[in-house]
Amino acid sequence: NAGVTQTPKFRILKIGQSMTLQCAQDMNHNYMYWYRQDPGMGLKLIYYSVGAGITDKGEVPNGYNVSRSTTEDFPLRLELAAPSQTSVYFCASSTTGGALGNTIYFGEGSWLTVV
Amino acid sequence: AQTVTQSQPEMSVQEAETVTLSCTYDTSESDYYLFWYKQPPSRQMILVIRQEAYKQQNATENRFSVNFQKAAKSFSLKISDSQLGDAAMYFCAYRSSGGNEKLTFGTGTRLTIIP
Repeated sequence: NAGVTQTPKFRILKIGQSMTLQCAQDMNHNYMYWYRQDPGMGLKLIYYSVGAGITDKGEVPNGYNVSRSTTEDFPLRLELAAPSQTSVYFCASSTTGGALGNTIYFGEGSWLTVV
Repeated sequence: AQTVTQSQPEMSVQEAETVTLSCTYDTSESDYYLFWYKQPPSRQMILVIRQEAYKQQNATENRFSVNFQKAAKSFSLKISDSQLGDAAMYFCAYRSSGGNEKLTFGTGTRLTIIP
């Protein structure tokens, strides 16, 4: 059972570089999310998507972009990386209905350091 | 906007004893979902238990149970027979029932198990 898969798990970026965090889910969930977690803090929502072709900003979208061309994939793009983007990034997905509807399932996280 | 408050940054409990983690939330909605997530040192977010607001019965999952007080907007987590593997950060989270709403997290409680 793959669930939500994120790649890469670890990455070091130099200031000003760009990269894409990949996220895929195999549960046919329509909702997908990107969160970031700074040290000692809770999770903050960056972007979310309610279905293919539809995305919306969360609490902390600046410096990021997303796309959702398929139900399964929801990549997060970091443009012009800054030290403030050093964080652990979590992709998540959920669906509605059923016994576990509205429950959000998380990937294992991607540790990003910007130096 | 909804807010979630965890007033205990750290808690500790003797192995095999019982511990209760507190969570309060603020909302004007009548229908919503509440969750407890566990985050071990690996940083993976693991669903512990969930509660639908329309259900009066408190959710239970093996050694984990909640005390859901809707009028008081309180959602505490009780861990019985604490085990070393329970050591982790625990996050309380709120989600609207609309289906496309994000999870709002508390700041977390770090639980230490004393052998």
